[in-house]
Amino acid sequence: DAGVIQSPRHEVTEMGQEVTLRCKPISGHNSLFWYRQTMMRGLELLIYFNNNVPIDDSGMPEDRFSAKMPNASFSTLKIQPSEPRDSAVYFCASSPQGAGAPPDTQYFGPGTRLTVL
Amino acid sequence: QKEVEQNSGPLSVPEGAIASLNCTYSDRGSQSFFWYRQYSGKSPELIMSIYSNGDKEDGRFTAQLNKASQYVSLLIRDSQPSDSATYLCAVKSGGFKTIFGAGTRLFVKA
Repeated sequence: DAGVIQSPRHEVTEMGQEVTLRCKPISGHNSLFWYRQTMMRGLELLIYFNNNVPIDDSGMPEDRFSAKMPNASFSTLKIQPSEPRDSAVYFCASSPQGAGAPPDTQYFGPGTRLTVL
Repeated sequence: QKEVEQNSGPLSVPEGAIASLNCTYSDRGSQSFFWYRQYSGKSPELIMSIYSNGDKEDGRFTAQLNKASQYVSLLIRDSQPSDSATYLCAVKSGGFKTIFGAGTRLFVKA
């Protein structure tokens, strides 16, 4: 299994530009999570999808952030317009339900390191 | 009060010693508890999960859970330099949300 795939791995952009981060969860996993990690705030949950449906986006910092999951194998996190304080590592994680794995285990992708100048 | 609290460290132990990492949580209804390891520049990876009171052992790792005290710990026996990383405690409360602690940095000195 290839694991959770994220792209791009690194993104450098200028303030005000639109940024789109992409995630392919592990096949068969029905839960998907977007996190942001910074030194100051640690790992923060932004949004959670279950069966492609957004369940809770209360962690999304503001309206500049949006996330979609059009199908079971793809999700995007978009920031428009981006600001320097959005600079962080963004992780996507997926989680299975059912037998074969400890309940609620999350498998993280490699992350996207975003720098907004 | 933070929902999941960890000592940020760094915790420094000599090679071969036991490293003890601690975590407290605020939601008494929490049911699932996890320890993730994160190497610098890498993503978190699960090393232990525990769901009931007591100890759970997996190789050199032992997770301990005490729900009455709202406390979960991770012991690493025979610590190796390769264990040097940040260890994240994670707690799943009611519903779907898993809350991560800020992490404890561990250094194992050769």
